Amino acid sequence: DAKTTQPPSMDCAEGRAANLPCNHSTISGNEYVYWYRQIHSQGPQYIIHGLKNNETNEMASLIITEDRKSSTLILPHATLRDTAVYYCIADGGSNYKLTFGKGTLLTVNP
Amino acid sequence: DTAVSQTPKYLVTQMGNDKSIKCEQNLGHDTMYWYKQDSKKFLKIMFSYNNKELIINETVPNRFSPKSPDKAHLNLHINSLELGDSAVYFCASSQVWQPPYGYTFGSGTRLTVV
Repeated sequence: DAKTTQPPSMDCAEGRAANLPCNHSTISGNEYVYWYRQIHSQGPQYIIHGLKNNETNEMASLIITEDRKSSTLILPHATLRDTAVYYCIADGGSNYKLTFGKGTLLTVNP
Repeated sequence: DTAVSQTPKYLVTQMGNDKSIKCEQNLGHDTMYWYKQDSKKFLKIMFSYNNKELIINETVPNRFSPKSPDKAHLNLHINSLELGDSAVYFCASSQVWQPPYGYTFGSGTRLTVV
């Protein structure tokens, strides 16, 4: 699986958009970009995934650069409950494991 | 209906004891996993099972023995518990070879060895 690089921490004001970057410059053509988050003491939660195109669901938007070397997860209106560690993972689905890095601790402030 | 359920949620036990954690998924997925998250919060894969067959064993001590009686269940038995086994253990499931390969995690079992 491609290695990903994320900032260790970020802050965001409540109600503002949170933009979480991820670098995956060695991603291969069949690897998806996944975003998960882990709210304190809970199991990781799937947020969104994409291959080439930008994606949006009820939780977030995912913007993938044209060369696929980086992506940005956007939480359009962050709330206090969005405070969590966010993991960006590049995975092709065939390794029988999802490898987590250290992620980005997003703190949403009132 | 919880998609991936683990029991118990908390487990406190003495060193040297043997304990089991159970996991069940009702998503029809063909692959199940055990992850360990230690005090440093790093999530590490321990085992993965595909259709009841062990696929990955990430250099886990053989005191840890997973068992998958069927595709929907993956249990973890731990013998001779040590202080270093204290961690949160997460079960997960996914459907391999079928995009989008998303994983669903359970809520975790917090194991404390005293």
